[in-house]
Parts: sequence; C-alpha cells; structure tokens
Amino acid sequence: DQQVKQNSPSLSVQEGRISILNCDYTNSMFDYFLWYKKYPAEGPTFLISISSIKDKNEDGRFTVFLNKSAKHLSLHIVPSQPGDSAVYFCAASDNNAGNMLTFGGGTRLMVKP
Amino acid sequence: KAGVTQTPRYLIKTRGQQVTLSCSPISGHRSVSWYQQTPGQGLQFLFEYFSETQRNKGNFPGRFSGRQFSNSRSEMNVSTLELGDSALYLCASSVLLGNEQYFGPGTRLTVT
Repeated sequence: DQQVKQNSPSLSVQEGRISILNCDYTNSMFDYFLWYKKYPAEGPTFLISISSIKDKNEDGRFTVFLNKSAKHLSLHIVPSQPGDSAVYFCAASDNNAGNMLTFGGGTRLMVKP
Repeated sequence: KAGVTQTPRYLIKTRGQQVTLSCSPISGHRSVSWYQQTPGQGLQFLFEYFSETQRNKGNFPGRFSGRQFSNSRSEMNVSTLELGDSALYLCASSVLLGNEQYFGPGTRLTVT
C-alpha cells in the first residue's frame, strides 16, 4: 500500500516557466511534509518543508502548497532553470512516530533551455 | 559545517557475506536514519536512531541491523547478503526528531 504517491513519473518544462510537481498521500496521521531533489548517484538534497498547520511555505523560487482535506501537496518552482533538472521526491512523516520518512516514487523534471 | 559523510562509497560483496556501512552525521545532529533505494521499491526506511536508541524500524528482515554511538555516528550491518540487497544505502541526520533530515551521498552496495 503506497501511502505517498507521485503520479507523474516525468515532467518537461521550458526554462523560465513554472514547474508544478504533485504528491498525494493517504495516511491522515502525516503532519510534516518535505520535498527533496536528487541527482543520480547522490543523496537527496532537502529543498523545502511544510507542517500540517500551514497551507503554504515559500523559499526563494520554491513554494510548497498543502491541501489537507484533499491530502495533496504540490511544489511550485518559478522560474524554472535548467539546473533544476533532477528527480524530485516528496516525503511525509508522522512526528509522533519520530523521523521515519515515507517517500513517493519521484518525478523526473526536465527543464529545457 | 561538514555534511553527512558515509563510508565506503562503493562496495562489492558476494552472496552470504556480511557488510558494515558507516555514517557520520552533521555536527550537532543527534538523530540518524537509514534508507535503502532500489529501482523497484524506491526509497524505503530501514531504521532510526536517537541518542543511541533505535526508535523506529522499517519492514526489513532481521539481517538488517544498526547501532548508534555516543558521538552520534551510526553503523548499519547486513548479514548473509542476498542479491536483492544490492542498493544505494542512504544515511540522513537531523538535529532533533521532527526536523528536516539531511542526507549523505550514500553507499552503493553490489552483491554478486
């Protein structure tokens, strides 16, 4: 049973435009959500997080939106740059259960110059 | 500040052998978690340590074990290796529980 799903395995966007990556979850106990970026043969790099008490968090070009009623979160990257090309993972945790992260399957983002 | 370091970066072992992987967290971080990444199963949680105590364990057989030392460094051990254990093993650290986790570069284990 996949508790965190990223339904789009890949996404292609033109440089300068907005990239929107989506993530759905099923476990209502999840209360902390994170996005990571990963290049091949490297560990995931933390991008941005959001607590379930918020519905939006911004950090520079990255904004994460959380819709608790729909159990859906999204990552917006504006403007997209070729260096953003990577695999993006969303992850969720239940803070009552420590630091265990449950990851989605990832979305490969390609930003074309 | 130095990031999370993992040693070795690459390892080749034979079926039936055992292996120990090491992780040094970011200075000041007390929580260390381990994850396995494979093409088929994605990123899966192995276990988590905080102040030398295992707090959570993922759905992996008992061949997978770990420990954390008083300086927060952690090791994981896999005994009786199987071909399916070939994966990228990732270590992540955080200051406390409930904070963002920072990952190391991983150890690529190949079992032949």
